[in-house]
Amino acid sequence: DIQMTQSPSTLSASVGDRVTITCRASQSISSWLAWYQQKPGKAPKLLIYKASTLESGVPSRFSGSGSGTEFTLTISSLQPDDFATYYCQQYNSYSWTFGQGTKVEIK
Amino acid sequence: EVQLVESGGGVVRPGGSLRLSCAASGFTFDDYGMSWVRQAPGKGLEWVSAINWKGGSTGYADSVKGRFTISRDNAKNSLYLEMNSLRAEDTALYYCTRVYSSSWYGWCAYWGQGTLVTVSS
Repeated sequence: DIQMTQSPSTLSASVGDRVTITCRASQSISSWLAWYQQKPGKAPKLLIYKASTLESGVPSRFSGSGSGTEFTLTISSLQPDDFATYYCQQYNSYSWTFGQGTKVEIK
Repeated sequence: EVQLVESGGGVVRPGGSLRLSCAASGFTFDDYGMSWVRQAPGKGLEWVSAINWKGGSTGYADSVKGRFTISRDNAKNSLYLEMNSLRAEDTALYYCTRVYSSSWYGWCAYWGQGTLVTVSS
């Protein structure tokens, strides 16, 4: 199975900061990667699919990049609503895998 | 508006069985693959199983293979997860999700609110 490793596990940042989260796949997944945001007590929300395509309605401060085995989610200017946990998900193989999550906390 | 409403969760003893249901509305159900994703208390997301639009192709995580069965009834706009031989580590909030296409693998733009399964003696 393909393993997904996110880093860091926790990130402390301030409003207005540029934030980058990395997701590494144990083998190439082309661009078959999605990013989700989850807030406490809520279902995950899709942010990005196909590594870099922004889901409709998601603010443009979110962006995704990468292909193969290394991917990044960038928040260009962190807003109060962005403090949450972020997950990557691969769907290349006949099995999905999520990363372990990155919690973005207030510094 | 797309709605996914899960039901069927509860407390069950180890070795027991449970059937989860997901009622879908607001879209043409048999145009899309569907899946179940779970989240243990305080933990991350774990994919459980998925099924294509017609029900003829399915996938399972290794952790549930042989114990869980996914199915769907397109006439009833419903998705199911039959869970047998339940273990303590199956305790989680189970989410029903809609896959982006008719196949069973991809990303999920729509999620239900989840139904809680607790396996405990």
